[in-house]
Amino acid sequence: GDSVTQKQGQVTLSEDDFLFINCTYSTTTYPTLLWYVQYPGQGPQLLLKVTTANNKGISRGFEATYDKGTTSFHLQKASVQESDSAVYFCALALYQGGRALIFGTGTTVSVSP
Amino acid sequence: GALVYQYPRRTICKSGTSMRMECQAVGFQATSVAWYRQSPQKTFELIALSTVNSAIKYEQNFTQEKFPISHPNLSFSSMTVLNAYLEDRGLYLCGARGDWGDEQYFGPGTRLTVL
Repeated sequence: GDSVTQKQGQVTLSEDDFLFINCTYSTTTYPTLLWYVQYPGQGPQLLLKVTTANNKGISRGFEATYDKGTTSFHLQKASVQESDSAVYFCALALYQGGRALIFGTGTTVSVSP
Repeated sequence: GALVYQYPRRTICKSGTSMRMECQAVGFQATSVAWYRQSPQKTFELIALSTVNSAIKYEQNFTQEKFPISHPNLSFSSMTVLNAYLEDRGLYLCGARGDWGDEQYFGPGTRLTVL
């Protein structure tokens, strides 16, 4: 079935470190791929999205590339700040057949100053 | 921009009672609204998807009898948790989608505590 996998539950970094969050997906269709960020006490916020038409999304220094070959959609940022500490979710949008978003299990990123 | 409000932010109810939560889309027309429950471990469960001009589709383990949803117009949706018990605790999130893309915009959630 359709699914999203985030293997990293927790990532701990220092400011200015490189961030890489792994995300792979499985589906028989051509989905829109999304990254959401959730800060404490808030709902998920859309960070970036990528469709089959544009392959790469960039927002606020974060970048993700849609790789159909490896069915991956990893998130990266060259230099993190303490304010990037949050939970990051990878998601598939599959509206065919009445499905909504399928979320990964989330990766908690902690950045120390 | 696309904003989604949810009310109430927090609610506490006694076991066996019911509570209603609301979701309001501001600045765009929500052609579909999805309700999720997020666990303390941050995992999401999709409860149901409501699309304009279509029947509300509930996911397995969630029923209309337990989680009735109303989606009367393109800016508002409500969901009730009937006969709430401990296993219904969590953060209930509303995700609204506009007609320009596949992304959903989320409210801050309604946190349900059941005593």
